[in-house]
Amino acid sequence: GQQVMQIPQYQHVQEGEDFTTYCNSSTTLSNIQWYKQRPGGHPVFLIQLVKSGEVKKQKRLTFQFGEAKKNSSLHITATQTTDVGTYFCAGHLYGNKLVFGAGTILRVKS
Amino acid sequence: DVKVTQSSRYLVKRTGEKVFLECVQDMDHENMFWYRQDPGLGLRLIYFSYDVKMKEKGDIPEGYSVSREKKERFSLILESASTNQTSMYLCASSVARGTGNTIYFGEGSWLTVV
Repeated sequence: GQQVMQIPQYQHVQEGEDFTTYCNSSTTLSNIQWYKQRPGGHPVFLIQLVKSGEVKKQKRLTFQFGEAKKNSSLHITATQTTDVGTYFCAGHLYGNKLVFGAGTILRVKS
Repeated sequence: DVKVTQSSRYLVKRTGEKVFLECVQDMDHENMFWYRQDPGLGLRLIYFSYDVKMKEKGDIPEGYSVSREKKERFSLILESASTNQTSMYLCASSVARGTGNTIYFGEGSWLTVV
């Protein structure tokens, strides 16, 4: 079936280290969205990427959408304890179906 | 701010009970969704609705039904709860049909079936 694979499932970093999570789709996506879920909370929208090769930044977060529109990444530079949580990608397949990745759990040691 | 409200945060139900999870959104969104979240499996779509009295099956509809009698309210029903339905349930809404619309989630309902 149509899937969005997200890796790694879990990452534990030292505060100040960088972090990256990756999403790969088996089919071309019309766009991709990223969400963050704090521990005990609910997913909250971060950003949407639409164009092939698009790169967007939000402070220490950098989001990329692949040229083939089948993969995406979220990179956090110099992690802080406030970055802890689960990061989800969600790919919009053509035909209006939104498929979530399994999420990457980020823990930050201070 | 968009507000998606789930009526129950924590529920404990017995096997075989009928369970209602209620969700209300206050931004006149056309689309409403029910997901369940399980460790390692991410968010899986149970049912969604694009309009009042309209519903479509998601990826895992078995054992669930939904009701959308009013635009702002979307209810998830477990006709006969089973232990494998123990999970966190997330209601969500978005504006209009089409790709690229932000999904707003409620705070979640933790359901334990014993």
